[in-house]
Amino acid sequence: ELKVEQNPLFLSMQEGKNYTIYCNYSTTSDRLYWYRQDPGKSLESLFVLLSNGAVKQEGRLMASLDTKARLSTLHITAAVHDLSATYFCAVPLYDKVIFGPGTSLSVIP
Amino acid sequence: GAGVSQSPRYKVAKRGQDVALRCDPISGHVSLFWYQQALGQGPEFLTYFQNEAQLDKSGLPSDRFFAERPEGSVSTLKIQRTQQEDSAVYLCASASPPFRLAGPRFDTQYFGPGTRLTVL
Repeated sequence: ELKVEQNPLFLSMQEGKNYTIYCNYSTTSDRLYWYRQDPGKSLESLFVLLSNGAVKQEGRLMASLDTKARLSTLHITAAVHDLSATYFCAVPLYDKVIFGPGTSLSVIP
Repeated sequence: GAGVSQSPRYKVAKRGQDVALRCDPISGHVSLFWYQQALGQGPEFLTYFQNEAQLDKSGLPSDRFFAERPEGSVSTLKIQRTQQEDSAVYLCASASPPFRLAGPRFDTQYFGPGTRLTVL
């Protein structure tokens, strides 16, 4: 059974600071997705990581994938309030996609 | 173009009632997924369609849950004899190529706004 874990589950960070969210998964997969969800809203795709060593950046967010370690990271650089949201990683397994529990990020002044 | 749409956006049902939730995927998208998201949790996979074929329904929590996509476009998730534990947001997502297709052409899923179901 595929399990996807995220760390931390809750994160409060000051504006301007850097931080990393970790996503671990329990079985082999060569790809991983990151999504953002604002309160009361649906999920927005952030990154699709398709291979070992993949790194993608969009604005203040950078995601990477290490398939051998079964680990993905989402790095936040110089956080701003607009990044406050819940971030999910997700791993495909055959015909389904398994989501992590989410990391609730709050960026405070 | 239009994204994934779902209706109704909110549904309140009395325990024991049947409900039907509709999903209109992005036009031309072959793959369609249903998820259940409880408050404060990540989406839980329910079922997957490739065109009209339901290839995986292993996430449906009980035989009260039924999904269909008869013409390979619009999908309906039906919940019979609703229970309080069915209260959640039901999300639909679609993707362009068949989901099992490997390689860089694979597309991400595009999510609809969800239907919030409250069972009293």
